[in-house]
Amino acid sequence: DVKVTQSSRYLVKRTGEKVFLECVQDMDHENMFWYRQDPGLGLRLIYFSYDVKMKEKGDIPEGYSVSREKKERFSLILESASTNQTSMYLCASSLDGRIGPGYTFGSGTRLTVV
Amino acid sequence: AQTVTQSQPEMSVQEAETVTLSCTYDTSESNYYLFWYKQPPSRQMILVIRQEAYKQQNATENRFSVNFQKAAKSFSLKISDSQLGDTAMYFCAFMSLQGGSEKLVFGKGMKLTVNP
Repeated sequence: DVKVTQSSRYLVKRTGEKVFLECVQDMDHENMFWYRQDPGLGLRLIYFSYDVKMKEKGDIPEGYSVSREKKERFSLILESASTNQTSMYLCASSLDGRIGPGYTFGSGTRLTVV
Repeated sequence: AQTVTQSQPEMSVQEAETVTLSCTYDTSESNYYLFWYKQPPSRQMILVIRQEAYKQQNATENRFSVNFQKAAKSFSLKISDSQLGDTAMYFCAFMSLQGGSEKLVFGKGMKLTVNP
């Protein structure tokens, strides 16, 4: 089974800090995604990547950046954390959602910015 | 842009009963995929079922089945013989096939509680 691992389950950071959320998948998937999950808002796409060193903005990219230097690793960066970035962050990967089982998700990182 | 609407924020059902979760979506495309995901308290998102828009036959997976009404843009999930382990958040999601995009657009989710 494909496994998507997010480095931290819980994280507490201070306002203004630079924050790195790491995601690693072990099945050679081309596509990787970062979503943010908030109660009553569902999941919203922040950034995604179809290949190494390639990235595209999702629906809410402001305040975030990403890095994909290796195929298996997709990092989400909060350049200067703010309290409105307190949320659950979900990473996902897919080989080809059209023929496969859709996305495989990580277990999420619950980030609190104080 | 595509949108996915789950109008019921919360539902509860007794164990062994049948429950239906509703989902509607808006798109101008004719070819796409629809998904239902489950997120239990462990937070792990799990694929429940998927439906290809070009298929007329409704998808089924054991106790889970969908009622896909393409003209009405409706995609409801029926859970038969509900079990305590079905307690979770359920998300409906849409995937466009245009432009090679693999992006999923999610609804806001619905909290299902199965009571003993």
